[in-house]
Order: sequence, then structure tokens, then C-alpha cells
Amino acid sequence: GAVVSQHPSWVICKSGTSVKIECRSLDFQATTMFWYRQFPKQSLMLMATSNEGSKATYEQGVEKDKFLINHASLTLSTLTVTSAHPEDSSFYICSASQLGGITDGYTFGSGTRLTVV
Amino acid sequence: KQEVTQIPAALSVPEGENLVLNCSFTDSAIYNLQWFRQDPGKGLTSLLLIQSSQREQTSGRLNASLDKSSGRSTLYIAASQPGDSATYLCAVRPQAGTALIFGKGTTLSVSS
Repeated sequence: GAVVSQHPSWVICKSGTSVKIECRSLDFQATTMFWYRQFPKQSLMLMATSNEGSKATYEQGVEKDKFLINHASLTLSTLTVTSAHPEDSSFYICSASQLGGITDGYTFGSGTRLTVV
Repeated sequence: KQEVTQIPAALSVPEGENLVLNCSFTDSAIYNLQWFRQDPGKGLTSLLLIQSSQREQTSGRLNASLDKSSGRSTLYIAASQPGDSATYLCAVRPQAGTALIFGKGTTLSVSS
């Protein structure tokens, strides 16, 4: 089945530094990937939609200059949290749909727990 | 704006019980609906996907139903086991190719 690999699974960084999270589709091509954020006991909230070869579309309230998304190939999308602050601490998770796939389901990565100290 | 609500927020049952998790959505015009399982600190595992034209899907002890006109879906778990303990998330896709909209989930605890 379709597999999405997300790295790192957890990261601790100091305030003011940047952190890059990778999301890879291992056995399929994904023209579109989605990035979500989940705070404790809350639902997954869509941050942005990442399209291969074009600029990401950000949801209202999500700072595009703070959360940089790059989708340079059909198998890789990255989310960079720039100048991280403690309030950015959260669980970040990506999902992808298979290009031309017969299933309409989305596959999710295993998520990244970000802690900013 | 589509909103997804899940009731109850938490549920504790003894092993062996059959149970039902509820999901409702405000806009009946959906492309499909998907149920996920999330273990603490982990990613999402897809359980069942129901297309808008379907009424239900089954996988093992799980059965999901969809009543699009009333904006409701249920996830039925038969003969619950401690290993079923997790948070169950309901998500709808408004249109083909769009992102999923999630409910807050139901946290299930099954005691042995």
C-alpha cells in the first residue's frame, strides 16, 4: 500500500532557530500534499496545501513566511518552521494522495513532535 | 463552512462490549468520509473510507455507515478489545482533491 515517511519523528530546538520537517511518498507519486498541525486534545487543523512545482496555499491565519513549504518533486515536500517560538510547539503531520491512484483515501505520515524551548 | 463534530469526546467500556462512535457534519455535500485511528503521539491509521454514494463499509470488527442527507456517520466496533484503545477521528473530504476536515475525535478506553 501507499506509504508516507515523515522525518524527524520528534525534535527539540531552541527559540529562534529553524526546523525542517520532511514528508516523502515512498512508493507513489503525490502531486498534492497537505500539512496539518495538532495541539493537545485538539483536532488536526490544515495549515497548507502543497502542490508540486508551485507555491503552497496557506490557510487563513497561517503565516507563510514562518512556515515555509517546498514541494520540489513528486515524492518530497518539506515544512520549515523558521524562527521557532515555544508557541510553535505542536504535532505536525503531512498527508498525500496518490497520483492517478484507484483509491480516494489519503495516506498520512507518522507525524513530527516539535518542542521549542 | 464545513464543521465536523464527534460525540462522545471520550468513552470507557469493558472488554467485549459493542460500541458506536458518532460523527456529524454540517454540509451534506461531501466527496467522501474517512475514519482514522490515532494512538498517543503517533500518526493516523486509516480504518474505513466511505464514498458519498455508499451507505456503509466493513472491515473485520469495524463497520462504518454514512447518511449523507442527515450529515451523519457512525463507526461500530464489535467485541471491543483493550488493543482498540485509541483516539478515533472522523474526517470528511468536501471535494475531490481537497484536504480533509477533521473532528476532534473520540478517545476510547477498553479495559480488560
